[in-house]
Amino acid sequence: QVQLQQSGPGLVKPSQTLSLTCAISGDSVSSKSAAWNWIRQSPSRGLEWLGRTYYRSKWYNNYAVSVKSRITINPDTSKNQFSLQLNSVTPEDTAVYYCAGEGSGETLDPWGQGTLVTVSS
Amino acid sequence: QSVLTQPPSASGTPGQRVTISCSGSSPNIGSNTVNWYQQLPGTAPKLVIYSNNQRPSGVPDRFSGSKSGTSASLAISGLQSEDEGDYYCAAWDDSLNGRVFGGGTKLTVL
Repeated sequence: QVQLQQSGPGLVKPSQTLSLTCAISGDSVSSKSAAWNWIRQSPSRGLEWLGRTYYRSKWYNNYAVSVKSRITINPDTSKNQFSLQLNSVTPEDTAVYYCAGEGSGETLDPWGQGTLVTVSS
Repeated sequence: QSVLTQPPSASGTPGQRVTISCSGSSPNIGSNTVNWYQQLPGTAPKLVIYSNNQRPSGVPDRFSGSKSGTSASLAISGLQSEDEGDYYCAAWDDSLNGRVFGGGTKLTVL
């Protein structure tokens, strides 16, 4: 059974970088049949997919157009985890951030526990 | 404003059947499969329907899904109080090269 455990700070100052990590158990970040996603949720924007990373003989990334200039999702094979970095944050980036695994049928399952990140000085 | 359109709310009494719609367009629902997620208060979303009409292991057969053209729907029969929560549709969008969600439907069991 795949499980995801998120970690990272809950408060980030405006203009700084939001950084979160998602540790994987029960699967490999390098799996050739999985992908690893970040999604966020806020009252104003609902559920918003941010991007994903996956390995198919080499590493690939897809990013949402809305954050493409500010986002990086990286795998860490040594720790079997993946990370999210979102640069130049503003209060509009305040949200609950989730990581999620993706299997066949582009299904997001499982999900991490969620991390509330507040952008405030 | 979400790429996929859902009604903001739906309701029903215990035992009733409720349907939630999800409207998209050619690059998303028209070209890719639809998944549905249930989010109970204070929890992360949970997959309840994948590939338009398939149920993951452990999801009651009261939940069913369908897709036609650029629209999809989720039906819940034999409504129970534990079904109360938010429901989201999602699909890959080939023109955006990304995943898109509906705005969510809040289901109330009266």
